[in-house]
Amino acid sequence: KAGVTQTPRYLIKTRGQQVTLSCSPISGHRSVSWYQQTPGQGLQFLFEYFSETQRNKGNFPGRFSGRQFSNSRSEMNVSTLELGDSALYLCASSLGAGVYEQYFGPGTRLTVT
Amino acid sequence: DQQVKQNSPSLSVQEGRISILNCDYTNSMFDYFLWYKKYPAEGPTFLISISSIKDKNEDGRFTVFLNKSAKHLSLHIVPSQPGDSAVYFCAASDLISSGDKLTFGTGTRLAVRP
Repeated sequence: KAGVTQTPRYLIKTRGQQVTLSCSPISGHRSVSWYQQTPGQGLQFLFEYFSETQRNKGNFPGRFSGRQFSNSRSEMNVSTLELGDSALYLCASSLGAGVYEQYFGPGTRLTVT
Repeated sequence: DQQVKQNSPSLSVQEGRISILNCDYTNSMFDYFLWYKKYPAEGPTFLISISSIKDKNEDGRFTVFLNKSAKHLSLHIVPSQPGDSAVYFCAASDLISSGDKLTFGTGTRLAVRP
């Protein structure tokens, strides 16, 4: 079974621009969560989607948004990029509905200059 | 407020010996705990989990112990192998109110010396 895939793997953007990251979960998984990893803060939860609905949200500004499609694929969008948004963005999927082991993709490395 | 803490940023162990990685938490609502391993340039890999109704869970060389009264969990790796060298993260969840939201510790870098 294929694992979680994320595209693109690397991205360089300029301050003020916006960016969209994509995540395809493991087949059959209906829950997709997004995390930001930075050297100073570790892994921080952004949000989780289940059956196209945002089920949980972390403490990030409204510039960070996401959505999930009917095939469980998810996208994350960051608008008005800031230098501090430079990080590794990780997507994780799980079966959801009471099964809590999450499986992570390789991440998208975003650099904001 | 760091609700999940891994106070040892690094640990070095001889091959074949036991590796013990520790994790403390402050939120008494956490009732599900997981350990992940992470290699550079890869996403975290799920290792083992434990529910708060148990105090021990084993999977091969990996055992997780949970002490709810002390709000402490530990991961034991026996015997340690060079391929175990990675950063280990513990994570916690409050299943009732937060479900799939995981709160991570800052990680412990394990180096297993041949």
